[in-house]
Amino acid sequence: DAMVIQNPRYQVTQFGKPVTLSCSQTLNHNVMYWYQQKSSQAPKLLFHYYDKDFNNEADTPDNFQSRRPNTSFCFLDIRSPGLGDAAMYLCATSRGQGGAEAFFGQGTRLTVV
Amino acid sequence: QKEVEQDPGPLSVPEGAIVSLNCTYSNSAFQYFMWYRQYSRKGPELLMYTYSSGNKEDGRFTAQVDKSSKYISLFIRDSQPSDSATYLCAMKAPLGDGNNRLAFGKGNQVVVIP
Repeated sequence: DAMVIQNPRYQVTQFGKPVTLSCSQTLNHNVMYWYQQKSSQAPKLLFHYYDKDFNNEADTPDNFQSRRPNTSFCFLDIRSPGLGDAAMYLCATSRGQGGAEAFFGQGTRLTVV
Repeated sequence: QKEVEQDPGPLSVPEGAIVSLNCTYSNSAFQYFMWYRQYSRKGPELLMYTYSSGNKEDGRFTAQVDKSSKYISLFIRDSQPSDSATYLCAMKAPLGDGNNRLAFGKGNQVVVIP
């Protein structure tokens, strides 16, 4: 019954080695979000898509990129991970119009070694 | 002033007590208010969703929104050890250019002691 699915749940990558995290949804929602959450902190929005329209947060580093090839899938690419990028990465979706509830996946915990 | 303020101090209560959590916010455009529960190493789970001002009850959970004071609350009655988690408030403005973003509070860690 999982509606927002993130893969993998745990990812270990080397310093500087590109890594891609994936998110898929079965809700047919217009909006897909990527958040970064560090320990004991609030989720921090990196960017979001409304359909194919990409919205980057002003303080999101260029090291973070995203792709949304279709409604169901969204990817987070970290081009050159640094130690400071180790975090939980959360994908969420919402309808956009009308109802505004956002539903999250289980997250991908990224470790940079 | 941060957009959403939530006192992150850990909260320990005995089983059966009422848990009271709250957030304040500064953006008067916020219309949608949510409470999420997050267990350790898991994604946030939507608990309560409220549109504009008012109260909403769902089982042991009650969400209140006071837009005039820019203040929202979550109450958990008859708290259980399984309620031990971090509770995050989140809010959003109506759909519009750049307004799909969900703003979060820092979260409250709640521990219910058996």
